[in-house]
Amino acid sequence: EIVMTQSPATLSVSPGERATLSCRASQSVSSNLAWYQQKPGQAPRLLIYGASTRATGIPARFSGSGSGTEFTLTISSLQSEDFAVYYCQQYNNWPPVYTFGQGTKLEIK
Amino acid sequence: EVQLVQSGAEVKKPGESLKISCKGSGYSFTSYWIGWVRQMPGKGLEWMGIIYPGDSDTRYSPSFQGQVTISADKSISTAYLQWSSLKASDTAMYYCARVVITGTSNWFDPWGQGTLVTVSS
Repeated sequence: EIVMTQSPATLSVSPGERATLSCRASQSVSSNLAWYQQKPGQAPRLLIYGASTRATGIPARFSGSGSGTEFTLTISSLQSEDFAVYYCQQYNNWPPVYTFGQGTKLEIK
Repeated sequence: EVQLVQSGAEVKKPGESLKISCKGSGYSFTSYWIGWVRQMPGKGLEWMGIIYPGDSDTRYSPSFQGQVTISADKSISTAYLQWSSLKASDTAMYYCARVVITGTSNWFDPWGQGTLVTVSS
């Protein structure tokens, strides 16, 4: 079973600054990685798929990188609406298994 | 617009049965897998299972196999998640989401608004 570990659990950043969130897989997942944003009381929203492709409508300040076991979500200049919980998710082809990281809470410093 | 609309919040007693729904619109419902995800209070996301409405092929997470049943009625573009005997530990928000597949990569987009299930005596 592939385990996804996100760090840090909580990240405090000031508006306008850069935020870097990490996600590590216990074994290689190639580029089969997605990132989601979840705000309080809302459903998760897809940000990034294929490790680095922004989903439709996602601002360019969000970028994803990495492959294999190490992945990063970078938010280049934090806006007030970006403070939320972020999850990474991997997909394993067979048997089909979708595994989420435990989440990183991005809070205002 | 691709949309998934879930049924409303439920309050049930332990031992009761429940079936919640997820209706898709704005796309070919039979051509995409639908997944279910649990989020317990204050916790993260857990994948439960997926179904392909075109032929009802269903796959479960080992953690949820035997605990829930996933089904779909393609004639009304609706997927279901059901329990035969609820436990207090089933209290959670449940999301459905469309599974998008490109090559070997899969992701969930979009998500339904969630159905809150509360199980309490």
